[in-house]
Order: sequence, then structure tokens, then C-alpha cells
Amino acid sequence: DAGVTQSPTHLIKTRGQQVTLRCSPKSGHDTVSWYQQALGQGPQFIFQYYEEEERQRGNFPDRFSGHQFPNYSSELNVNALLLGDSALYLCASSVGWTGELFFGEGSRLTVL
Amino acid sequence: GQQVMQIPQYQHVQEGEDFTTYCNSSTTLSNIQWYKQRPGGHPVFLIQLVKSGEVKKQKRLTFQFGEAKKNSSLHITATQTTDVGTYFCAGSSTGNQFYFGTGTSLTVIP
Repeated sequence: DAGVTQSPTHLIKTRGQQVTLRCSPKSGHDTVSWYQQALGQGPQFIFQYYEEEERQRGNFPDRFSGHQFPNYSSELNVNALLLGDSALYLCASSVGWTGELFFGEGSRLTVL
Repeated sequence: GQQVMQIPQYQHVQEGEDFTTYCNSSTTLSNIQWYKQRPGGHPVFLIQLVKSGEVKKQKRLTFQFGEAKKNSSLHITATQTTDVGTYFCAGSSTGNQFYFGTGTSLTVIP
């Protein structure tokens, strides 16, 4: 049983570009949450998807958007990249929104 | 917005010593979770606490949820080198999204 898988694992972009990160949740999980983790910091909640809709959103600008597909997989899109967007982006899946979060290995984004 | 703070930020202990990290929320929590993140890894779920005053144990780890449901602690007895990592609490005040604390980085000196 595969756990949470994320792609790509590493990527480098330049300021102003756009990026799409992908996440496949653990089998049987219907909720996907995205977190941004800067070096040496705790994960910061970006948003959560359930039933293909954004259910909750953290304090992130509209440049951050997402999508959940019928198979529960999800994408995180970031437009107009800034240097400060460099971080590890973690996807976490769960059964409903109150359960244990299972994290993927993350996508490390570097913005130059 | 909801804020979750942890202290200390860093802790160095000799192997065999005890370790405690404390988590404090600016708002009353409905539940709290604890995670461990090894260097270069991703957070791994340890436990969830829901009830006021709840205490749960996992071998050498003891987790407590405060009576007011605004604070929590994780205590490790007789640390081992395998305990190295950063410990995060994650609290939810609405029952859905979890806000992570600032983390406590534990170093165990053999």
C-alpha cells in the first residue's frame, strides 16, 4: 500500500515563474492538506481539499491555488514566484479533516 | 489567527537523560496532535489528544493535554539516539485544519 506520494521531489524556478506540485494521497484517504515548511520552521498550513473543494485556507495569498481531482489526488499551484516561496512543500492526506495526517516526502522548491 | 508556540526551540541532552517539550496555544483547542520529523525527513504522526487533562503513554513517551485545552507537553524518559529529531505539536481549534507549532529540535549526545 503506497503512502502519500509527491512530485517532483526537487525543482528550481526563477522569480515570476509558475509552479505546479502534485500529490497522490494514501489509499482510502479523501482529504488533502498542503503545508509550506521553510528551513528550520514548522509546517505552515496553506489549504485543505475535501470532495474536490477548498474547505479551509491558511494565511497565504491568492497566488497559491489548488485543485483536487475525483480520485482524491491534488495539485498546488503557485504563480508569480517570489524568493520567499523557496521551501519544502508538504502534502498530507487524512480520512476526513480531523484524523491523523500522513505526510509525503515533500517537494523542495528553490526560487532564484 | 491561531498561534501555537513551543519551548524550548532547541534541547541538547546526554543519552539517558529525560526530555520535555511544551506547547502553548493562543486559543482553546479541540484537539492536538504530536509529530516527529527526523533531519531531512517529513513529519510522522505520534499521537492525538482530545480530552481535557488527557494523558497518553507510548513506551518512553508521555503526552499530556492541559485542563484548559490550551497547552500540551511531550516527555521522553531516558532518551536514546533514535529520539533525535524535531518534535512538533499541531493544534486545531475548529476540529479541522491543524496549525503546527514552532517545533523543538532534540539532539541526543551519546
